[in-house]
Amino acid sequence: ELKVEQNPLFLSMQEGKNYTIYCNYSTTSDRLYWYRQDPGKSLESLFVLLSNGAVKQEGRLMASLDTKARLSTLHITAAVHDLSATYFCAVVETSGSRLTFGEGTQLTVNP
Amino acid sequence: EAGVTQFPSHSVIEKGQTVTLRCDPISGHDNLYWYRRVMGKEIKFLLHFVKESKQDESGMPNNRFLAERTGGTYSTLKVQPAELEDSGVYFCASSQWTGQANTEAFFGQGTRLTVV
Repeated sequence: ELKVEQNPLFLSMQEGKNYTIYCNYSTTSDRLYWYRQDPGKSLESLFVLLSNGAVKQEGRLMASLDTKARLSTLHITAAVHDLSATYFCAVVETSGSRLTFGEGTQLTVNP
Repeated sequence: EAGVTQFPSHSVIEKGQTVTLRCDPISGHDNLYWYRRVMGKEIKFLLHFVKESKQDESGMPNNRFLAERTGGTYSTLKVQPAELEDSGVYFCASSQWTGQANTEAFFGQGTRLTVV
């Protein structure tokens, strides 16, 4: 059974600081997603990572994937308050279509 | 283009009652998924429809849950009778089959179910 672990689960940081969220998964995967969720809203897709060594950046967020280590990271650079949300990583097993999610990281960026 | 819509956004019911959640996927999306997040835990897969057929229902917790997708359009998820542990946020997602692969899934805003 595919398992996905995220850490930390809670992250409180100051504006301007950098931090990394980690996502480990247990079996081979076709794709890895990072989602953002604001309270009461839908999950917004941030990144999809398909291959080993993939790196994608959007604004202050950068995601990377190491399929050999079964590890993805979401790096936050110079955090701003607007980044406060819950971030999920989710993995699709090889030849599958359903998503297996991590527990989510609740990020709070303090002024 | 409208996204995935779910109704209601919130529902509070008493233990033993019945609740029906509805999901309207993006038009043309054959794949429809139900997921659930219980008490701040991870979001867990419930089931997957391809058009009107259940492709995978291995995540359904027990026989109190019934999902349907008549005509391959919108889907309903009925909980009968509801128990306290059914409380959580129920998400629906849809994606399209391109002929070679499934596209990324798009999520609705979720239905927050509270059983008291």
